[in-house]
Amino acid sequence: AQSVTQLGSHVSVSEGALVLLRCNYSSSVPPYLFWYVQYPNQGLQLLLKYTSAATLVKGINGFEAEFKKSETSFHLTKPSAHMSDAAEYFCAVNPITGGGNKLTFGTGTQLKVEL
Amino acid sequence: DGGITQSPKYLFRKEGQNVTLSCEQNLNHDAMYWYRQDPGQGLRLIYYSQIVNDFQKGDIAEGYSVSREKKESFPLTVTSAQKNPTAFYLCASSIYGLAGGSDTGELFFGEGSRLTVL
Repeated sequence: AQSVTQLGSHVSVSEGALVLLRCNYSSSVPPYLFWYVQYPNQGLQLLLKYTSAATLVKGINGFEAEFKKSETSFHLTKPSAHMSDAAEYFCAVNPITGGGNKLTFGTGTQLKVEL
Repeated sequence: DGGITQSPKYLFRKEGQNVTLSCEQNLNHDAMYWYRQDPGQGLRLIYYSQIVNDFQKGDIAEGYSVSREKKESFPLTVTSAQKNPTAFYLCASSIYGLAGGSDTGELFFGEGSRLTVL
């Protein structure tokens, strides 16, 4: 079964500092990969997605993620954190084959941004 | 604007009562999904439907029921058999439900419904 692991359920950074949220997946072939953001009591919003077109993917709000096949990773980064980035972030994978086109989600990382 | 509408946003019910959460989409998507979200557990799939008049159980279907009589609508009933129904429920859709479609499986989410059982 395909799986996604997000290292660190809580991450805290200072405003202006680098944001790094980690995501590793298990898949025998390069899958489709996604990062979603969720603000309190709201639904999930797509930040960015990897669809094999380019390994470095740029998303909304200044976020980007790099697909590294050798490391089976898809970490999310942002050069400078803003207070408005405080939210929960989910990594998800679509294994493409055998998954019925369904996404599998990680358990989420809560990002806290401090002054 | 196209999107997914969930209602109600907040719902309180007494233990033992069935409740139905509404989910409507105007994106013309084939597939629709219900997820349950609890703190620290991420999203867990309850039911999904790839086409009208068909649906499949997800990972935690016990105590829930769904119907898909129209493409736009996928209501979820939380029955009295669900032992711990207090949670945040998310409805989502995707363009295609079956593998082999040309889309990536990207999900579009509603704003969620928070159910509290007293």
